Amino acid sequence: DSGVTQTPKHLITATGQRVTLRCSPRSGDLSVYWYQQSLDQGLQFLIQYYNGEERAKGNILERFSAQQFPDLHSELNLSSLELGDSALYFCASSVATGGETQYFGPGTRLLVL
Amino acid sequence: GESVGLHLPTLSVQEGDNSIINCAYSNSASDYFIWYKQESGKGPQFIIDIRSNMDKRQGQRVTVLLNKTVKHLSLQIAATQPGDSAVYFCAENAGNNRKLIWGLGTSLAVNP
Repeated sequence: DSGVTQTPKHLITATGQRVTLRCSPRSGDLSVYWYQQSLDQGLQFLIQYYNGEERAKGNILERFSAQQFPDLHSELNLSSLELGDSALYFCASSVATGGETQYFGPGTRLLVL
Repeated sequence: GESVGLHLPTLSVQEGDNSIINCAYSNSASDYFIWYKQESGKGPQFIIDIRSNMDKRQGQRVTVLLNKTVKHLSLQIAATQPGDSAVYFCAENAGNNRKLIWGLGTSLAVNP
């Protein structure tokens, strides 16, 4: 158990809909990262927040947004969903601003029908 | 961290044999490297790390070797077991940017 929690574990929705994925980092970690992983693919970095502020941005679509709250939990919002958004979405956390070990949550499996 | 999504290479080994998973990293300024294991349907799990001032680090049944001259990292798993079947990712701390750069991953299949 990494100490990072994600909800929900599974999500099934329809195209055009909007969903919110939630992540709680390990106690004491200030950075939260979001990754997308499609079937048999590598980890695609989406975005990083550090202590409530956006720190780094990867290949995140404009339809996707995220935020980190004062209690350091984070939410990833996915809107106008398309079939191709079906994937595993992982949250990870680390103690500082980046480059150190990241600890991953169990992921949210999103299926868009 | 960044990564590129491509289909994963596969390494197939017999149970009990030693496995070697290789990773070429990109930035000569990288000073910290990590290996992760990802089992099917689960999040990546930290296995072992190494700093650039070391050439070798050993854990329980795993050894990481770092060759800075050719920018190469390897993960050796001794006496591979069925439970080692997973995708293995390397990650490097790319210097001044202070972010992790992820390798593509290698799928390890252990044959009984």
